[in-house]
Amino acid sequence: GENVEQHPSTLSVQEGDSAVIKCTYSDSASNYFPWYKQELGKGPQLIIDIRSNVGEKKDQRIAVTLNKTAKHFSLHITETQPEDSAVYFCAAEFQGAQKLVFGQGTRLTINP
Amino acid sequence: DAGVIQSPRHEVTEMGQEVTLRCKPISGHDYLFWYRQTMMRGLELLIYFNNNVPIDDSGMPEDRFSAKMPNASFSTLKIQPSEPRDSAVYFCASSRGREKLFFGSGTQLSVL
Repeated sequence: GENVEQHPSTLSVQEGDSAVIKCTYSDSASNYFPWYKQELGKGPQLIIDIRSNVGEKKDQRIAVTLNKTAKHFSLHITETQPEDSAVYFCAAEFQGAQKLVFGQGTRLTINP
Repeated sequence: DAGVIQSPRHEVTEMGQEVTLRCKPISGHDYLFWYRQTMMRGLELLIYFNNNVPIDDSGMPEDRFSAKMPNASFSTLKIQPSEPRDSAVYFCASSRGREKLFFGSGTQLSVL
């Protein structure tokens, strides 16, 4: 079935350290993988996305890596700052159903 | 652009009452999505429209839920009759193409 598993569910890191969130997906035909950030009281906001024809994409302190063979992708945040504290969601586009399925979310806390 | 606009922000109602949630997508976007967010089930896709036509309503939990999109700038999600288990945050999102969703701020629904 359509499934996206996300780990960990909570993550606490010291300011300045790196944070890594991992996701696996079930549909080998998926080719689009976005990451969303949700702050308290707001809707999710797209922060970065990657397509299956590339293995890595960077945008300043954020990077996403994709391993299509293993069907997993990861979000990397370097030099974390207090404003990075939020819930992060991965998602995968399931081709058969033509819809985006979200992971369960990771609550990231940056400790000063 | 003001982004995706949802109303109301908060709705408290009693079991059995009709609830109507409203959404104004970003101008020029051809896809509109309704999601429900709960602690237990995360972000669930309820239904989505393309050019005002419902494409996939397989996520709509029961016949009590209905959604309409009478024109490109307005959509409603109706629950009739409402039940306590419908309590959740309901998000509307829009996009140009099926990717890069822009979410509204959500409607926090409480059914007593």
